[in-house]
Amino acid sequence: AQTVTQSQPEMSVQEAETVTLSCTYDTSESDYYLFWYKQPPSRQMILVIRQEAYKQQNATENRFSVNFQKAAKSFSLKISDSQLGDAAMYFCAYRSGNTGFQKLVFGTGTRLLVSP
Amino acid sequence: EPEVTQTPSHQVTQMGQEVILRCVPISNHLYFYWYRQILGQKVEFLVSFYNNEISEKSEIFDDQFSVERPDGSNFTLKIRSTKLEDSAMYFCASRTGVTMDVETQYFGPGTRLLVL
Repeated sequence: AQTVTQSQPEMSVQEAETVTLSCTYDTSESDYYLFWYKQPPSRQMILVIRQEAYKQQNATENRFSVNFQKAAKSFSLKISDSQLGDAAMYFCAYRSGNTGFQKLVFGTGTRLLVSP
Repeated sequence: EPEVTQTPSHQVTQMGQEVILRCVPISNHLYFYWYRQILGQKVEFLVSFYNNEISEKSEIFDDQFSVERPDGSNFTLKIRSTKLEDSAMYFCASRTGVTMDVETQYFGPGTRLLVL
């Protein structure tokens, strides 16, 4: 079974600075998808960024980018120019490329604190 | 922008009572999911639903749980006889399956269920 590990329960960053959240996963599959979701205090899960395993290029979405290291099974999220609104729980998630297995497997999350 | 909606936002019930949690997925989406998050823990997959049948379910999704898409727009999760340990945030999610964004699951705001 696939597992997702987020080893940082909490991270802190100052406004305008850059922070990197770590995620590692374990799988024997070669085709899969990885996601970062943000959960603000309102608790709604919001997609931040997605990476397809077959793509070598790292995904970027504005201030958010990933460092996808397939051989190392690592998928870190970099937030540049941090803003107060970035404060939230961030969950890393894995989804098999096998169409019969659609569930997302989540890590335990990293709480990001942003200070002025 | 289309979004997944869920009702109610909060539900308090007595142990042993039946509850129905409702979700309206994004209108052109074909795949539907329920997840739950016990307070302070990670998000866990419950069930996925496609073409009017369950495509995958977790060990959590036992005979006390059922899902239904009664009218082509709503997607419901029923818990027949609630237990204290069912207290959690329940998230509905949907996925298109037919566009470029085929792999992303979009989450609703959640229903917070409290069983007393």
